[in-house]
Amino acid sequence: KAGVTQTPRYLIKTRGQQVTLSCSPISGHRSVSWYQQTPGQGLQFLFEYFSETQRNKGNFPGRFSGRQFSNSRSEMNVSTLELGDSALYLCASMEGVGTRFDEQFFGPGTRLTVL
Amino acid sequence: QQQVKQSPQSLIVQKGGISIINCAYENTAFDYFPWYQQFPGKGPALLIAIRPDVSEKKEGRFTISFNKSAKQFSLHIMDSQPGDSATYFCAASMRHYGGSQGNLIFGKGTKLSVKP
Repeated sequence: KAGVTQTPRYLIKTRGQQVTLSCSPISGHRSVSWYQQTPGQGLQFLFEYFSETQRNKGNFPGRFSGRQFSNSRSEMNVSTLELGDSALYLCASMEGVGTRFDEQFFGPGTRLTVL
Repeated sequence: QQQVKQSPQSLIVQKGGISIINCAYENTAFDYFPWYQQFPGKGPALLIAIRPDVSEKKEGRFTISFNKSAKQFSLHIMDSQPGDSATYFCAASMRHYGGSQGNLIFGKGTKLSVKP
């Protein structure tokens, strides 16, 4: 099976712009989670989608949003970009149907730089 | 509020030695504790995970020790190799409705360097 893919891999934006990142989960996985990774704050959970519904949400401002499509692919959007949004954005997928050990498989991430 | 505290921040071990990384958590509702390994330019990859109904789990050279009463868990890497040099993250989560745990709370990470 192909792994989790994220596009684009690198992105440069300026303050005030908005950005959309895309994630394609492993085939058959219905849950997609998004994380932000920065040197200062580490890995922080943004939100999780399961069957097109947001199931969990982290402590991020409303500028961060996401959605999931019927084929389980997911997008996240950040509006009105700030310098502090520069980070590696990671997507993780899992089966999501309550197995005993439900492993999250991470993609390579999208490196967002805000100038 | 950080809910999983990881130490040390960095660790240097000689080849063949034992690497030990510790984590402590606060929320007693956590019921799933994975360890992830991340190489530069890559996403984290699951190494090993444990649930609180067991005190130890071993997979190859990697062992998780879990102390429920102390709310602590640790990763031991036996016979450490230069190829193990990476950043290691502990994490914790709890089951939400529907039974899955898609919200991982991560520690800050430990950068491990194994010297040949």
